[in-house]
Amino acid sequence: GEDVEQSLFLSVREGDSSVINCTYTDSSSTYLYWYKQEPGAGLQLLTYIFSNMDMKQDQRLTVLLNKKDKHLSLRIADTQTGDSAIYFCAGRAGAGSYQLTFGKGTKLSVIP
Amino acid sequence: NAGVMQNPRHLVRRRGQEARLRCSPMKGHSHVYWYRQLPEEGLKFMVYLQKENIIDESGMPKERFSAEFPKEGPSILRIQQVVRGDSAAYFCASSPGANEQFFGPGTRLTVL
Repeated sequence: GEDVEQSLFLSVREGDSSVINCTYTDSSSTYLYWYKQEPGAGLQLLTYIFSNMDMKQDQRLTVLLNKKDKHLSLRIADTQTGDSAIYFCAGRAGAGSYQLTFGKGTKLSVIP
Repeated sequence: NAGVMQNPRHLVRRRGQEARLRCSPMKGHSHVYWYRQLPEEGLKFMVYLQKENIIDESGMPKERFSAEFPKEGPSILRIQQVVRGDSAAYFCASSPGANEQFFGPGTRLTVL
C-alpha cells in the first residue's frame, strides 16, 4: 500500500521561509494534501494539489510536486509564530479511492 | 456553516466498557470517514460511510469495532470491551464529494 514519509521536526526563525518535505511511494496517488494540526485540535485542510500540476500557490503557501521523484513540498513564506504546528502530508489514489494515507507529521517550531 | 462536530471531545473508559463516539458532518456532506491517530503517529483510515451504507471498512479492526451512519442523526463509531491499546484520538471527516475531507476536532479516548 501507500507509504508517506516526512521528516519529524523543523525549526525556523520568524520571518524566514519554511519548507516541509514529503515523499510518497504510490505513483497512482492522484491527490496530495497538506493539513495543519495545532495542539489538541483537529486537522485543518491547508491546500491540495492534483498530480497533473507541478505547483500551486495560495497566499503564503506554495506547494511543489515532483512526480518523477514522488516528492511533495510545502513552502510557507514569512513564517509566523502562529504557524507553529504539526503539518501532515497525505495522499489519495484516484477515482474510486477514498482513503487518505498520512505521513507521521512534521512539527514546525517558529523561533521569535 | 458549522464545521464537523464530534462529541464527546474527551472520553475516559475502564477496560471492558463500551465507547461511543459521535460525528455530525458538515451540512450538505453525505460522506463520512473515521480515522484513528495513535500518539506520535499520523492518522490511519478506519472506515468510510455514506448514509445507511458502509462503503469501505478495510481499516477497521475485525473485532469490537463497528460504525454506522443512519438516515437520521450522527455517525457513530462504537468500540466494545475497550482495551488500553484503544487509547487514541479518533477523528471524523466529512466531504461533499471525493476531493476534500474536512476534519472534526476529534475525540480523545483514554482507557484506564
